[in-house]
Amino acid sequence: SAVISQKPSRDICQRGTSLTIQCQVDSQVTMMFWYRQQPGQSLTLIATANQGSEATYESGFVIDKFPISRPNLTFSTLTVSNMSPEDSSIYLCSVQGRTSGEGETQYFGPGTRLLVL
Amino acid sequence: SQQGEEDPQALSIQEGENATMNCSYKTSINNLQWYRQNSGRGLVHLILIRSNEREKHSGRLRVTLDTSKKSSSLLITASRAADTASYFCATDEPEKLTFGTGTRLTIIP
Repeated sequence: SAVISQKPSRDICQRGTSLTIQCQVDSQVTMMFWYRQQPGQSLTLIATANQGSEATYESGFVIDKFPISRPNLTFSTLTVSNMSPEDSSIYLCSVQGRTSGEGETQYFGPGTRLLVL
Repeated sequence: SQQGEEDPQALSIQEGENATMNCSYKTSINNLQWYRQNSGRGLVHLILIRSNEREKHSGRLRVTLDTSKKSSSLLITASRAADTASYFCATDEPEKLTFGTGTRLTIIP
């Protein structure tokens, strides 16, 4: 398994500002994933972040709005830019399991609860 | 886009009863997974069932998979208050998961 931490755990922000969310993993991983979970909804994948290359964004998400950094194999950041109330969500990072028996599963961080006023 | 639709959206049962939730999906899969989320926190992986498996058990959890109907069910037996959570199915696509809409389970003490 992997232990994942996220900072901040929650924040309240004003519209038009930006927030950077950090995700730290206790071991080296190839791929990290960023999800958004809007209130009462399921998880939607924003992008996949690979170390040493640009993140791959899902349909409906763009780099200008959600820039991602992946400086090494244990860390990634997601920035929510020029925020509006519609960006109020829980943002979660995750990684794939590392052992052969858990390669398809994902481990999730505790999430960052964002409220935009 | 979401691959899975879960049913029911919400379920309330008495402690000790069994809880069953269902997931339907649209495309062919290699495996299907179930996750639990407590109070808007991170998700916890519960169980994975592969496309060539029909049933799998883990403790009080029983998962079935019917690939001909593109559906799966999660049964939690002898429910406990701590089982109160949202449950999501997730299907695999190459190198990423697609999550269903979720079932919100409430166990009444």
